[in-house]
Amino acid sequence: GDSVTQMEGPVTLSEEAFLTINCTYTATGYPSLFWYVQYPGEGLQLLLKATKADDKGSNKGFEATYRKETTSFHLEKGSVQVSDSAVYFCALRSPLNTGNQFYFGTGTSLTVIP
Amino acid sequence: EAQVTQNPRYLITVTGKKLTVTCSQNMNHEYMSWYRQDPGLGLRQIYYSMNVEVTDKGDVPEGYKVSRKEKRNFPLILESPSPNQTSLYFCASSFTVGDTGELFFGEGSRLTVL
Repeated sequence: GDSVTQMEGPVTLSEEAFLTINCTYTATGYPSLFWYVQYPGEGLQLLLKATKADDKGSNKGFEATYRKETTSFHLEKGSVQVSDSAVYFCALRSPLNTGNQFYFGTGTSLTVIP
Repeated sequence: EAQVTQNPRYLITVTGKKLTVTCSQNMNHEYMSWYRQDPGLGLRQIYYSMNVEVTDKGDVPEGYKVSRKEKRNFPLILESPSPNQTSLYFCASSFTVGDTGELFFGEGSRLTVL
C-alpha cells in the first residue's frame, strides 16, 4: 500500500544553519506530495506541495522537489530561524479515487537555537 | 473564511462517560477524516469519510464511532472513553474525486480521560 517514510528526529540546529528533512514515499501511480508544519500548540498547516514529477514547491524559504526517479520529496531551507522550530510532516495524496487518500509520515521535530 | 472547526478544543472527562467531538467544515468538501496525535507516534487515522453516508475505518478505529449525515459535519463519538484515548485529535477535510489538493486541518481537540 501507499506509505511515507521520513527522517527521524528530533533535529536541533543553530540559527542560519542549512536544513534538510528527508522524505521518501511508496505509491501506486503518481501521488501529490505535501509538507505540513505544526507549530507548538497549533494544528497542522500546509507548508508547500507538488502535484507532479519535477515540480518544486516553495514557501517561507522552504523548498522541496518532487523526484519520481528516487521517490523522494526532501524538505530544505538554506538558513533556518528560531521561528522555524516546529514539527514537520511529509504526506502524500493517492491518485486513486477510492478508499483512503492521504498518508502521513511520523513527523520530524525541529528545534532551532539562537 | 474557509475553515475546519472542532469543538471542544479542550476536554477533561472520566472513564465511561460518553462524549462527542464535533467537526464542521464550510468548504463543501466531500472527504473528511479524524486523526489522533500521540508523542512518538505521529498522526494516526481513526476514521474517514468519502462523502455523506460513506465512512470507513482508518488505522486505529477501536473505541470510536463516526457518522456523516450531512456533508459539512463529521462528529467523532467516544461511547465509553478510556484513559488510552487521552490524545490530541484533529479533524481534516478535502475535495475528493479528481482533485490533487491538500487536506485542511482543524485546530485540534485535546482530550484527557481520567
